[in-house]
Order: sequence, then C-alpha cells, then structure tokens
Amino acid sequence: EAGVTQFPSHSVIEKGQTVTLRCDPISGHDNLYWYRRVMGKEIKFLLHFVKESKQDESGMPNNRFLAERTGGTYSTLKVQPAELEDSGVYFCASSPLAPSGANVLTFGAGSRLTVL
Amino acid sequence: KQEVTQIPAALSVPEGENLVLNCSFTDSAIYNLQWFRQDPGKGLTSLLLIQSSQREQTSGRLNASLDKSSGRSTLYIAASQPGDSATYLCAVNKREAAGNKLTFGGGTRVLVKP
Repeated sequence: EAGVTQFPSHSVIEKGQTVTLRCDPISGHDNLYWYRRVMGKEIKFLLHFVKESKQDESGMPNNRFLAERTGGTYSTLKVQPAELEDSGVYFCASSPLAPSGANVLTFGAGSRLTVL
Repeated sequence: KQEVTQIPAALSVPEGENLVLNCSFTDSAIYNLQWFRQDPGKGLTSLLLIQSSQREQTSGRLNASLDKSSGRSTLYIAASQPGDSATYLCAVNKREAAGNKLTFGGGTRVLVKP
C-alpha cells in the first residue's frame, strides 16, 4: 500500500510569506496527525484529526497556523505569515481508527520548511 | 508535563557489537511507548510498541523493555550491522489521550562501523 505522502519535501520562503504543506494519509486511515521538529528540539505534537474533525489542536503554536482536512482525506497545514522560528520539519502521520493507543502511526517523510 | 530523555545523544560502535539505547520519562501514567527509527531524509519507522501493561517486546534482533514505575525503557539491538545506522527515537503516548499524542525524546544517533 502507498505510505503517507507529504509535499513539498522542502520549501524555502521569506519571512512574512505564506506556505501550505500537504499530507495525503494512507487510504482509509481516519486518524491524521501533524508533528513538527524545530532545530535542536524534540518532535512535538501539533494536532490530531479524526476524519474531518479536529480532535485535539492543543499543540498548535499560535493562530498563524491553520490546519484543515476537508472531506476527511488529505490535510493541509498553512502558515501565514511565516516567521523565522517556524523553520523545521513538519511530519504527518496517520493510523486507522482503532482502540485508543493500540494502533501504530505511519509517518510521512516530512516537509522541511526554511524561513529566511 | 511529560518529558522524555534519551541518552546517549550519539553512539558509535563496531559492527557485531550489541547496542543499548536508553529512554527515560518523567510521568509514569503512559498508555504505551514506541521506539522509532529515522533515516536521513526519511520519515519515522515504528520498530516496537510496548503497551503499559507489558514489560517487553521483541522483533528479530530488537528487544525493548519497559519499566513504567521507574520511567525507563531500553532498546537492545543484538549483533549490530552497518544498516542499523540511523537515529532512534523513543516516544510515550499519554494516558487517556483520544489518540496517539506522542511525546518524543531527542533521539540517539547511532553509527555502526563496518
């Protein structure tokens, strides 16, 4: 089966610009997660979708970040306007709907964002 | 607030030696713990998942133990090979979470020399 697909793989933008990252989860996976790793720090949770609904967005850093999952398939994460501290690698992961905690996440390769 | 620490941050061993990677966490109220592997430019690959009720999990040359009360997990890789070179990440899943809200450690970068 196809894995979790993310694009772009790398985006370089100027401070103040807008960037949209996309994640295509494994077909049939209702759970979709966004995580990110900023330079020198651990990977941190951003938010969790169940189908098209945001289940938990407690990790979103501020209102410059907007995540959507229209139709419950692919998801986008928009950063507007981008700041220098937003640079890092943004990971998407998906899993089937199963008893909480029992399932294993499949991660994408990540989208590297560089804000200059 | 859960904190996950991995020591050492980097490790270099000759081929054939056993690898021991350590992970510690501050809050023992976890649902499960996962070990991941990350190759450069690639995503995270799940290696082993240990439920909070389990003490260990094994897969091939990999064995992971969990001591929830002391907040520790150890990943053992037997007879290391150059292909084992990667970054290994430990992540704990918060109890009562609606889903997989993982807290990651910083990782251990492993180099296995031929």
